[in-house]
Amino acid sequence: AQRVTQPEKLLSVFKGAPVELKCNYSYSGSPELFWYVQYSRQRLQLLLRHISRESIKGFTADLNKGETSFHLKKPFAQEEDSAMYYCALRTNTGFQKLVFGTGTRLLVSP
Amino acid sequence: GAGVSQTPSNKVTEKGKYVELRCDPISGHTALYWYRQSLGQGPEFLIYFQGTGAADDSGLPNDRFFAVRPEGSVSTLKIQRTERGDSAVYLCASSGDFGELFFGEGSRLTVL
Repeated sequence: AQRVTQPEKLLSVFKGAPVELKCNYSYSGSPELFWYVQYSRQRLQLLLRHISRESIKGFTADLNKGETSFHLKKPFAQEEDSAMYYCALRTNTGFQKLVFGTGTRLLVSP
Repeated sequence: GAGVSQTPSNKVTEKGKYVELRCDPISGHTALYWYRQSLGQGPEFLIYFQGTGAADDSGLPNDRFFAVRPEGSVSTLKIQRTERGDSAVYLCASSGDFGELFFGEGSRLTVL
């Protein structure tokens, strides 16, 4: 079965510090990985997907199949980055459901 | 509308009652998903529709839960004989050709 693990419930950093939100997955095939974000009082929304290989709001994430990881990184955190971040996996076969991790709350302090 | 709309936003009911939650997806999106999110957890998959049919209902926890999408647009999640453990935020999402899920704001269900 597919599984997504986000080991940190809370990550607290100061503004300007580097950020890395960890995500590991379990899937025997070739998955598609995503990061979704939920800002305070807003709905869950897509931040980035690994196949796009793009940087969104300064965030990047690289799929490491050897380590089965998809960590989210940003070199200099901003206060507006404070939010809940969810890593999600979609299999490349069968149905198109997304499997989510339990989420990491990022708190960026001034 | 511009986004996925869910009603009601909040629902308080008593144990044993029947509840319906409605989702109005983005126009033209053929795929529709229901997720459940309990406190401190990530969204948990319930059911996925492609058009009118349920393509994957493997996440429905038991036969008290049922969902329909009769015309391939609006969907209703139905919960019979509600239990306190059903209390959660029920999220609906829809997606188009590119696979990105667009979520609604959720329906918060509280079972007393």
